[in-house]
Amino acid sequence: EVRVVESGGGLVQPGRSLRLSCTGSGFTFGENTLAWFRQAPGKGLEWVGFIKSKTYGEATQYAAAVKDRFSLSRDDSKNFVYLQMNGLKIEDTAVYYCARTLRSPNLGGSWGQGTLVTVSS
Amino acid sequence: DIQMTQSPSTLSASVGDRVTITCRASQSIGPWLAWYQQRPGKAPNLLIYKASFLESGVPSRFSGSGSGTEFTLTISSLQPDDFATYYCQQYDTYAGTFGPGTKLDIK
Repeated sequence: EVRVVESGGGLVQPGRSLRLSCTGSGFTFGENTLAWFRQAPGKGLEWVGFIKSKTYGEATQYAAAVKDRFSLSRDDSKNFVYLQMNGLKIEDTAVYYCARTLRSPNLGGSWGQGTLVTVSS
Repeated sequence: DIQMTQSPSTLSASVGDRVTITCRASQSIGPWLAWYQQRPGKAPNLLIYKASFLESGVPSRFSGSGSGTEFTLTISSLQPDDFATYYCQQYDTYAGTFGPGTKLDIK
């Protein structure tokens, strides 16, 4: 069974940093692109970014709203992807989901349960 | 960026009804359109990709159609589990933008 699990969410002040983690099982982690999405409270879904596998140079892409503030990395030896979030803004408050992508690097195939990030003073 | 719209924003229906949700893109995205279901407090679940391809394990009462700028999701006979919010997503570009969602609730 494919399973994706996020962790690391919490309450953080504006301007500070936070790192989210995503781990997966039930699939060959290192051969897969992992993507992050988010959902602000009561709002719709938003794509955040993705990181491709080592085969594709661990290439990354980010949404315009987070580019230059967020960065993705991966440690395939531990089956982890990390979302480093710097310069957090109040509007970054959301549930962050990690997903194993299928057929396209921003198509969420198997999603985790999400982790809540609250940016507030 | 490609903008996605959905209609209606809310839809009231009964078990057994046939319902259709429409998704429109601000420019042509070919067949690169997915549909997700999201139940309250849960993660989204991929239903359909490439406009009309049913994801493994998804019941056959769900179907999708369309290409270019107009797409539809049809549920042929609503079941109690189907009352949820449905999102379309274009993945023609890296910025895989979502529609605002359609909430399907019980009449």
